[in-house]
Amino acid sequence: GDSVTQMEGPVTLSEEACLTINCTYTATGYPSLFWYVQYPGEGLQLLLKATKADDKGSNKGFEATYRKETTSFHLEKGSVQVSDSAVYFCAYRNTGTASKLTFGTGTRLQVTL
Amino acid sequence: IAGITQAPTSQILAAGRRMTLRCTQDMRHNAMYWYRQDLGLGLRLIHYSNTAGTTGKGEVPDGYSVSRANTDDFPLTLASAVPSQTSVYFCASSPSGRNYEQFFGPGTRLTVL
Repeated sequence: GDSVTQMEGPVTLSEEACLTINCTYTATGYPSLFWYVQYPGEGLQLLLKATKADDKGSNKGFEATYRKETTSFHLEKGSVQVSDSAVYFCAYRNTGTASKLTFGTGTRLQVTL
Repeated sequence: IAGITQAPTSQILAAGRRMTLRCTQDMRHNAMYWYRQDLGLGLRLIHYSNTAGTTGKGEVPDGYSVSRANTDDFPLTLASAVPSQTSVYFCASSPSGRNYEQFFGPGTRLTVL
């Protein structure tokens, strides 16, 4: 069935280090892909999205490219900050009557000084 | 504009009691969703509604019911709470269509003893 697999955390990085969080999906058709971020004690916020193959989503220095050939949507940032510490969720949304989001299990990022 | 509001913020409930979690959105979105978030499992869809007057079952609907009498409100009811329903519950809404992201409420933390 349809699913999203993302790398397990926690990921611990020093400030200004490079970040990559891997995400791959299994889905039929042409889904839209999303990265959500959850800061401690808060709900989920959209970080970025891509709606078709080869699209690149970007926001707050984060980027992810929709790779249909590898069914991937890896999240990257060149220089992380302490304020980026959060849980990151990869998700996709497909066509269909429910049009629901299917989430990965989340990756916790901890950035230290 | 408030976006999505949820109530209560948190609740401790005795097993066997009935509980309704409230969700209201002011964005006039057609679709609304209820998710539960459990450690290591990401977010799982409980029920959804594509438009007022219709509802559908998600991945984990057992023990929960919903109604959608109007566009703005989407309450989630636990008819007889059990400890396995201890979780954080998030309500979300979105315009219809796969290109649109879902907007999340702040969550309700529910503990069933």
